[in-house]
Amino acid sequence: EDQVTQSPEALRLQEGESSSLNCSYTVSGLRGLFWYRQDPGKGPEFLFTLYSAGEEKEKERLKATLTKKESFLHITAPKPEDSATYLCAVHATDSWGKLQFGAGTQVVVTP
Amino acid sequence: NAGVTQTPKFQVLKTGQSMTLQCAQDMNHEYMSWYRQDPGMGLRLIHYSVGAGITDQGEVPNGYNVSRSTTEDFPLRLLSAAPSQTSVYFCASSWGPTDTQYFGPGTRLTVL
Repeated sequence: EDQVTQSPEALRLQEGESSSLNCSYTVSGLRGLFWYRQDPGKGPEFLFTLYSAGEEKEKERLKATLTKKESFLHITAPKPEDSATYLCAVHATDSWGKLQFGAGTQVVVTP
Repeated sequence: NAGVTQTPKFQVLKTGQSMTLQCAQDMNHEYMSWYRQDPGMGLRLIHYSVGAGITDQGEVPNGYNVSRSTTEDFPLRLLSAAPSQTSVYFCASSWGPTDTQYFGPGTRLTVL
């Protein structure tokens, strides 16, 4: 059965304190892995799509990487506005049309 | 370009009542989907559609109906609301089933 697990569940950072979020997945084959950011009371906002092991994508202070079993979202020198819940989702080859989400990591960045 | 819009933003129902959550997109996307989000469980797929007239079930379809008569609209119907359907509902759309999905702002539903 396909599974997506995110860790940690919650992360509290000081402004400027870099860290990484983990998304591990168990699927028969990977079509794509997606990272979203969700602010309280709002819908998920798309960040990145990764398709193959070794791929990396960057946007401002965020960098996403992908291996055959997991993905990392690195937050470099975070600011308070980076506080949000970060969601990972996987599209598996045996689940055409069905995106499977992890439970998310809630990140709080304090000044 | 409004993207994905959802109405209403909040709704309170009594057990047994019916209602329709509205979702519309103006990006000419073929694929549309409905998710529910519950604390600690992440987003779970309810139903999806790969084009007008075509729908299919997701992970948690029981208690929900959908239809897709136009490319733009994908309403979600609760025929007889139950307290277990208290949740936040999100609609999403994308060009195709495996492409990046863009989400609406959500509807917070409470069933008493």
